[in-house]
Amino acid sequence: QKEVEQDPGPLSVPEGAIVSLNCTYSNSAFQYFMWYRQYSRKGPELLMYTYSSGNKEDGRFTAQVDKSSKYISLFIRDSQPSDSATYLCAISPSSGYSTLTFGKGTMLLVSP
Amino acid sequence: EAGVAQSPRYKIIEKRQSVAFWCNPISGHATLYWYQQILGQGPKLLIQFQNNGVVDDSQLPKDRFSAERLKGVDSTLKIQPAKLEDSAVYLCASSLSGQGRYGYTFGSGTRLTVV
Repeated sequence: QKEVEQDPGPLSVPEGAIVSLNCTYSNSAFQYFMWYRQYSRKGPELLMYTYSSGNKEDGRFTAQVDKSSKYISLFIRDSQPSDSATYLCAISPSSGYSTLTFGKGTMLLVSP
Repeated sequence: EAGVAQSPRYKIIEKRQSVAFWCNPISGHATLYWYQQILGQGPKLLIQFQNNGVVDDSQLPKDRFSAERLKGVDSTLKIQPAKLEDSAVYLCASSLSGQGRYGYTFGSGTRLTVV
């Protein structure tokens, strides 16, 4: 079983739709959860960062973590064509020199 | 703040040739990472440096890949000899501390095609 599972998509939605992106992870030692956005031919950029279970909101973006189910989600409200990108979930253990483990990424296409 | 700089942006080489990539991290970032991203996959860590020392190179194919970080700043990643399966984007990232929980800043990557 891979450490992080993510549906690669693509996910196509019309402008204005609510988007839900999801990842599952296998190891309960992971405590930090991030979402990165990657535009074509660019490096990933940090979008959201969460630690605890629950929701974290930043503008149109909401990150949700359910540690009991080992399930993380990213919701995008009022999606825009500029949101079209690949969204990567990333997880990290709790302490020490730790590296990020990435999911495969979900490609999102928002049509005008 | 200037971002993570990488060069070249693109490289095409024949199999069995050698190639080198360069990375200049954000000033003051002690930790530097090289990731390999194959098309359709998430980034996979190759090597992590803390200043100029190696913290994790467990997934670096050491028979063909090598990396160094000069004076704890710039870094180079080399492949010799290249194989077809090395075709990927090589991403360099840096962070203030060695802990992934604070996120990284990535460069735009070097896209390598091995033919």
